[in-house]
Amino acid sequence: DTAVSQTPKYLVTQMGNDKSIKCEQNLGHDTMYWYKQDSKKFLKIMFSYNNKELIINETVPNRFSPKSPDKAHLNLHINSLELGDSAVYFCASSPPEGQGNYGYTFGSGTRLTVV
Amino acid sequence: AQSVTQLDSQVPVFEEAPVELRCNYSSSVSVYLFWYVQYPNQGLQLLLKYLSGSTLVESINGFEAEFNKSQTSFHLRKPSVHISDTAEYFCAVSGSGGYQKVTFGTGTKLQVIP
Repeated sequence: DTAVSQTPKYLVTQMGNDKSIKCEQNLGHDTMYWYKQDSKKFLKIMFSYNNKELIINETVPNRFSPKSPDKAHLNLHINSLELGDSAVYFCASSPPEGQGNYGYTFGSGTRLTVV
Repeated sequence: AQSVTQLDSQVPVFEEAPVELRCNYSSSVSVYLFWYVQYPNQGLQLLLKYLSGSTLVESINGFEAEFNKSQTSFHLRKPSVHISDTAEYFCAVSGSGGYQKVTFGTGTKLQVIP
């Protein structure tokens, strides 16, 4: 059983298109995240949801919109894709603090290539 | 706010030799510290963490890290590396208590040479 699963694994699309990446976790965690990893491997947090509520919204273009229909799912929709959006996007989840196992569980990533 | 510095972008080391990957952090509050490992084309996996208590923490595959508050460091060590340890290693920090964002370092590529 995959703990944090992302789809699709690879996404190649043209500039200007709209695309979505889906993420699901079956760990019962309360908090989910989206991170962007650039070509130099730098990881930057984009969004975080706790029990469907947005709690972190970093400086990310409005073209990026997260949606959390329930605490097990956090999807990322991107409008009007640009070349600079090309990166690997990672979903992650974490349990509530106090459960003694604090730390993120990451998905395997979605490699987005905008051409 | 917290920040993490990983001074070495790449560390080549021969198989069975010891290795140390350096990590320094900056924070005005108490912290939690983590090391994550990323194998090629995979997501990050939690390697070990320091939350409180003993300053020396260990992973199941022979890595250890020591929290040094006075030097604000959390260096990762292994006495004898294997080819399979070749990966990218990320140090990360968050504030302790309540909900805190985790900030990652820029990563260190460990290259084990046969």
